[in-house]
Amino acid sequence: QVQLTESGPGLVHPSETLSLTCTVSGFSLTGYSVYWVRQPSGKGLEWMGRMRYNGDTSYNSALKSRLSISRDTSKNQVFLKMNSLQTDDTGTYYCTRGRGSTFDYWGQGVMVTVSS
Amino acid sequence: DIVLTQSPATLSVTPGESVSLSCRASQGISTSIHWYQQKSNESPRLLIKYASQSISGIPSRFSGSGSGTDFTLSINRVESEDFSVYYCQQSYSLPLTFGSGTKLEIK
Repeated sequence: QVQLTESGPGLVHPSETLSLTCTVSGFSLTGYSVYWVRQPSGKGLEWMGRMRYNGDTSYNSALKSRLSISRDTSKNQVFLKMNSLQTDDTGTYYCTRGRGSTFDYWGQGVMVTVSS
Repeated sequence: DIVLTQSPATLSVTPGESVSLSCRASQGISTSIHWYQQKSNESPRLLIKYASQSISGIPSRFSGSGSGTDFTLSINRVESEDFSVYYCQQSYSLPLTFGSGTKLEIK
């Protein structure tokens, strides 16, 4: 069945770089796009960017200068890297499968705290 | 960017009531709106896609309507498991955006 699992450090220091991995199963990264969505604690959802099935990427312009998304299709993994983290980057980070830009399957999310 | 405005922010209802949640887009987006449910400490779940298309496995009491700028998620006879936060999301143009959510709570 379709599964997405996020992994990464729970704590990142201010100004450092966040690296997250989304490992997928039950579908191919060359057939579906994978998106990253984040949610500050107690707040709403924010689309961060996407890795399309054909390898193209798109980013939210609000984050574009800090954000990079890549993939390794042989390992069924999609990677997120975001630099210059600040405290307002604290929250839960989700990867989700996209189908026509709707998000039909979601990972369980990984909580990231930015703190010194 | 397309701004989605959801109303009300909080809706207090009694189980068994039927409710309508609103999502208004800052510009016309055809039917490129999707609805998600997020229970406390869980990931969002897709309920309705493209304004009114049903999703396999989602109870039939959930339905959607609208086009252009005004959209509605309706829940026919709310059940206890429905008390959560509901978000709309547009896929008309990048950046993809979400509304700020409507919290459905027990009266």
